[in-house]
Amino acid sequence: EAGVAQSPRYKIIEKRQSVAFWCNPISGHATLYWYQQILGQGPKLLIQFQNNGVVDDSQLPKDRFSAERLKGVDSTLKIQPAKLEDSAVYLCASSLGLSGGNTIYFGEGSWLTVV
Amino acid sequence: QKEVEQDPGPLSVPEGAIVSLNCTYSNSAFQYFMWYRQYSRKGPELLMYTYSSGNKEDGRFTAQVDKSSKYISLFIRDSQPSDSATYLCAMSGAYANAGGTSYGKLTFGQGTILTVHP
Repeated sequence: EAGVAQSPRYKIIEKRQSVAFWCNPISGHATLYWYQQILGQGPKLLIQFQNNGVVDDSQLPKDRFSAERLKGVDSTLKIQPAKLEDSAVYLCASSLGLSGGNTIYFGEGSWLTVV
Repeated sequence: QKEVEQDPGPLSVPEGAIVSLNCTYSNSAFQYFMWYRQYSRKGPELLMYTYSSGNKEDGRFTAQVDKSSKYISLFIRDSQPSDSATYLCAMSGAYANAGGTSYGKLTFGQGTILTVHP
């Protein structure tokens, strides 16, 4: 079974530039998550989709971050304009559904450095 | 106070040692408790998953949850150099959002860096 796919794996941009990350979840997984992991910290949820609808974006900095999952499969996370403090790993994850018994699987992450 | 506290270490042990990793939490709504392992430059990989209080064993790994003390542990027996990684505790509970009731929001600890040396 293929895992959660993410691209690009690494990106270096200057502050105030924009960047976009792409995620393809495990086939059949209705729930998709984007987490941000700053070096030395645990991942923090940015946004959660159920199919193509947003169920939680309370921790997404909406002035600069946006995410979409138009057809309920792939998702894109965009940052515009980027700040130095956005340097982090952006982890996409997926699960079968919203219930507690569903395992959440993570991709390998997209590593962003803002200089 | 953070919802989940985890000693970041680093922890260095000799091969074959028993390793104990711990997290404490403050949110009584947490019902699902997980341990993830994260190798350098990789995403978190689920190791152990426990619902409510109790023990769960899987090979060399044992997870314990004590909800009365709000304390969870992961024990690694006969540790190997391949166990060297960052270990993240994570937990979730029911919470209301636009999708109804969801358990999908994992709250992670800071992660403990473990090195097992030959």
